[in-house]
Amino acid sequence: DTEVTQTPKHLVMGMTNKKSLKCEQHMGHRAMYWYKQKAKKPPELMFVYSYEKLSINESVPSRFSPECPNSSLLNLHLHALQPEDSALYLCASSQGILLEKLFFGSGTQLSVL
Amino acid sequence: KNQVEQSPQSLIILEGKNCTLQCNYTVSPFSNLRWYKQDTGRGPVSLTIMTFSENTKSNGRYTATLDADTKQSSLHITASQLSDSASYICVVSATGTASKLTFGTGTRLQVTL
Repeated sequence: DTEVTQTPKHLVMGMTNKKSLKCEQHMGHRAMYWYKQKAKKPPELMFVYSYEKLSINESVPSRFSPECPNSSLLNLHLHALQPEDSALYLCASSQGILLEKLFFGSGTQLSVL
Repeated sequence: KNQVEQSPQSLIILEGKNCTLQCNYTVSPFSNLRWYKQDTGRGPVSLTIMTFSENTKSNGRYTATLDADTKQSSLHITASQLSDSASYICVVSATGTASKLTFGTGTRLQVTL
């Protein structure tokens, strides 16, 4: 299994809603990532987890809250988002935190109304 | 500041033709360079990863080259197919950056009949 699975594929939410994005991998990877990608722009790193601990937070607003329940799962909890947060949210994983190949999920296309 | 620049920004070619995409980077100290293919609304898929000592690497009809002296890379696509239509992203990793990658803005390739 060489896949990173993200759910849901699409999400529409209001600014007062609370929702969660989920990511799962069964490759035994110990590093997992959240990226945000706006249309026609490169992905921007949001968070990195290494061995289930948050190792990098790229100054992301607190309305985005990551969680790593175990080595295979990564969640992104969303609360009180703004319309400008609408984007493709990509999860990725790698064997370790340095040099390794990144495997990306298909992403969650998020629209905030 | 670490930067990755790609050219052309977009490209349209006929099916069956070859094309070459360019990537120039100023990332230092250099660790590796990756080419990804990203379909619209999907996550990036790795095509090649090249380290300092590698000049050429192939993956099917995709051939990447790297000149670490001039800090340039190219991705050559042979006998293009309609399914090659996508964005191609050059990503460069610097050593000691704990998984931080510098993404190029991508080349949007359209293969037509």
